[in-house]
Amino acid sequence: QVQLQESGPGLVKPSGTLSLTCAVSGDSVSNNNWWSWVRQTPEKGLEWIGEIFYDGTTNYNPSLESRVTISIDKSKNHFSLNLNSLTAADTAFYYCVRVYWGAFDFWGLGTLVTVSS
Amino acid sequence: EIVLTQSPGTLSLSPGDRATLSCRASQSVTSRYVAWYQQKAGQAPRLLIHGASSRASGIPERFSGSGSGTDFTLTINRLEPEDFALYYCQQYGRSPWTFGQGTKVEIK
Repeated sequence: QVQLQESGPGLVKPSGTLSLTCAVSGDSVSNNNWWSWVRQTPEKGLEWIGEIFYDGTTNYNPSLESRVTISIDKSKNHFSLNLNSLTAADTAFYYCVRVYWGAFDFWGLGTLVTVSS
Repeated sequence: EIVLTQSPGTLSLSPGDRATLSCRASQSVTSRYVAWYQQKAGQAPRLLIHGASSRASGIPERFSGSGSGTDFTLTINRLEPEDFALYYCQQYGRSPWTFGQGTKVEIK
C-alpha cells in the first residue's frame, strides 16, 4: 500500500519560506510517476500547487510559480516543497499526492501550515 | 485556466436515495480527463473516479461517472450512511489542474 507523509514546521512567519517534505513508502519516487502538492483552505478550496516527475521535470501553477520550488530526492525516496514570500493567504492544509494517469490516487494525511508572526 | 462549477452546493438526501452531482467546465476538457474525489471531515480527499468514468481501485460499484466536453456527472446509487460527505471534481486535461468548489451530500 502506497503511503505518503508530510513533515515540516506548522508555523512560519510572514515573508518567510515554507519547507515541507513528503516521505513516500510502498512506491519509489524513481518510478515513472509524477508527484504533486495540493493545498486546501476554506476560502479557496483545493488548489494544485505543482508537480515533479521522477527525472526532475517540474510543472507549476502559474499563480504560484514565481514563489514555488519542488524537488525530488531519490536516495531518501521523498520529494519537497518550498514556497517563499509567505503571507497569511498561504495558511492552508498542504497535501502531497501521487499522480496516477493524471489523477491524484494517493494522498498524505495533510499538514496545517499557519503563516503568522 | 479551466474553471469548474459544481452544482448543487448542497444535496439533502436519505440513505437509499440516488445522488446526482454535476460538474461544468468553462472549456472543453481534453480526453475526458476529469476525476471525482470524496472528502470526509478531517481526512484527505479520496479518489473515486478518473478518466470521467473509470472507478478507482476499491471503489464500490454504486459510484459511477459520466460526461464529456464541458459537462460531467457523478452518480451515487443507493446512498449508504458512509457516503454523506463532500465531493469534488477535478480536471487534468489542461494545466493548471483545477478543482470545483465542492458539493456537500448531507442527510435529509
